[in-house]
Amino acid sequence: EPEVTQTPSHQVTQMGQEVILRCVPISNHLYFYWYRQILGQKVEFLVSFYNNEISEKSEIFDDQFSVERPDGSNFTLKIRSTKLEDSAMYFCASKEGANTEAFFGQGTRLTVV
Amino acid sequence: GDSVTQMEGPVTLSEEAFLTINCTYTATGYPSLFWYVQYPGEGLQLLLKATKADDKGSNKGFEATYRKETTSFHLEKGSVQVSDSAVYFCALVIAGANSKLTFGKGITLSVRP
Repeated sequence: EPEVTQTPSHQVTQMGQEVILRCVPISNHLYFYWYRQILGQKVEFLVSFYNNEISEKSEIFDDQFSVERPDGSNFTLKIRSTKLEDSAMYFCASKEGANTEAFFGQGTRLTVV
Repeated sequence: GDSVTQMEGPVTLSEEAFLTINCTYTATGYPSLFWYVQYPGEGLQLLLKATKADDKGSNKGFEATYRKETTSFHLEKGSVQVSDSAVYFCALVIAGANSKLTFGKGITLSVRP
């Protein structure tokens, strides 16, 4: 069964460092998302991506964040200069059409120290 | 804005007990409603959904009914199993091109033998 895969499963980084979280969406999917969950809080929408551009982003997704689909396969989330409050579980999701089911990856736990 | 509120957890039940997990929502439009489940070490999986008022979503013995008058989508199961131990998330989507999910906080269910 096709699935969304995320790497790494856990990343520890020092404050101020850049991190890249990687996702491989399901191959025929066209809509891509990043969400995050700070421990004990809600799963929050970060950004949606369609047709090689950002279609919507939340207020959390500031200039420190960027997304790319560099090779038609991977979908990456970059945080340029991490802060302690960026520590969270980050989920990637993809779906085939606008109103179809979203499939999620296992998540990357980011710890900023 | 749109939001989802779930009852506080965690919830611990004995096997074969009846389960209810409450979920209420506020939405600016006419949402579709979802329950996602996250088993230990895995990603978010769609458990069930309902797209219009009075619809009942069901899967794996779980049920939830879309109640527009009470803006609720409570999850129920008549007899839980140890294998149901997981984190359960209620979510909504307003139909549209971006169709981002708005999640509740999630609740951890532990079922003991």
